[in-house]
Amino acid sequence: GAGVSQSPSNKVTEKGKDVELRCDPISGHTALYWYRQRLGQGLEFLIYFQGNSAPDKSGLPSDRFSAERTGESVSTLTIQRTQQEDSAVYLCASSLWGSGETQYFGPGTRLLVL
Amino acid sequence: LAKTTQPISMDSYEGQEVNITCSHNNIATNDYITWYQQFPSQGPRFIIQGYKTKVTNEVASLFIPADRKSSTLSLPRVSLSDTAVYYCLVGDGSGGFKTIFGAGTRLFVKA
Repeated sequence: GAGVSQSPSNKVTEKGKDVELRCDPISGHTALYWYRQRLGQGLEFLIYFQGNSAPDKSGLPSDRFSAERTGESVSTLTIQRTQQEDSAVYLCASSLWGSGETQYFGPGTRLLVL
Repeated sequence: LAKTTQPISMDSYEGQEVNITCSHNNIATNDYITWYQQFPSQGPRFIIQGYKTKVTNEVASLFIPADRKSSTLSLPRVSLSDTAVYYCLVGDGSGGFKTIFGAGTRLFVKA
């Protein structure tokens, strides 16, 4: 596995439906990050994992958003009862440890809520 | 957490040197300064990282003054393909940090 992969690459859903986004980090990377990027905007931090634990969830915009990580690898970001304002690109990144380490980003999942 | 300020946009011409300055007045002692580049429809990509003085790699140089309250990314002889958004990021290096990218600087290189 060369880099960070994310799936699906694109997701169109109807308002009120739940969606699950997946991130496969680089093997051996203990730190994993989720960001949201609205069109033409910068990156908005959502959550950070160190191993399987999330010491900082302060960026999650509402209780409709949740994330988990298992086996220090795959992470899923779940958005329940999606709203139109959830439409954005959701980016995942991983780094070796987390302490100022370079973050390697995936291609993102483009979510459109109709 | 150190906050960063960058110009919103910059224009340049092919072959010119471009310098993008980032302000981070409340940078902490153990903070690193990292710059990322983002092309449309892609995730950001690491360019360069430094702590103090000057760092150079095959892509860019990073200049950090002694007080570390700012940093300047220098791109030598830009080409059209350098048109992108450039983000300055300051991390506390203490293990697990909330990262704030900000809006970045949109560089547009003209022919």
